Amino acid sequence: KQEVTQIPAALSVPEGENLVLNCSFTDSAIYNLQWFRQDPGKGLTSLLLIQSSQREQTSGRLNASLDKSSGRSTLYIAASQPGDSATYLCAVWDAGNNRKLIWGLGTSLAVNP
Amino acid sequence: EAQVTQNPRYLITVTGKKLTVTCSQNMNHEYMSWYRQDPGLGLRQIYYSMNVEVTDKGDVPEGYKVSRKEKRNFPLILESPSPNQTSLYFCASSLVIRQPQHFGDGTRLSIL
Repeated sequence: KQEVTQIPAALSVPEGENLVLNCSFTDSAIYNLQWFRQDPGKGLTSLLLIQSSQREQTSGRLNASLDKSSGRSTLYIAASQPGDSATYLCAVWDAGNNRKLIWGLGTSLAVNP
Repeated sequence: EAQVTQNPRYLITVTGKKLTVTCSQNMNHEYMSWYRQDPGLGLRQIYYSMNVEVTDKGDVPEGYKVSRKEKRNFPLILESPSPNQTSLYFCASSLVIRQPQHFGDGTRLSIL
């Protein structure tokens, strides 16, 4: 059964730091991996989607990598800003059960001015 | 503007009183899904729909019903709500399955 884990659960950094959020999954048979952002009182916003055949995707200051064989993905945020403060969730489309996303519990990020 | 709209945003009600949470998307998406989010448990899928008149159970369907009579609408029905259904609910849609999902802003339900 596919499981997704995100470590750490919470992270606090000063503004301007480059940071890495981690996501691991137990079964390498996935279609894609997605990173989302959740702001308090708001829904989730899709940030990046990496197909299983890809190694990374970039959008602005965000870069997501995927190592399917080791069951890991990282979300790199460059030059962090207070506006980046949010919860970041990782989810995989599992090839074994391909009709739903399998979610991690998220990393709560606080970027301090 | 492309969006997923949920109503109501907040609701406090009592056990056993039937309620419906509406979800509407304006992007002509085929895939729609309902989630509940609880502390320590994360997001869990309740029901999903691949297209009009095609719905299926997710991980936690007990106590819920859905329908998909039109492409844009995917209401969530609680026929006899109970306190364990107190949660934050999200509706989401995507063009087709496995594509990035667009989420509504959420509905916070409290069942007393």
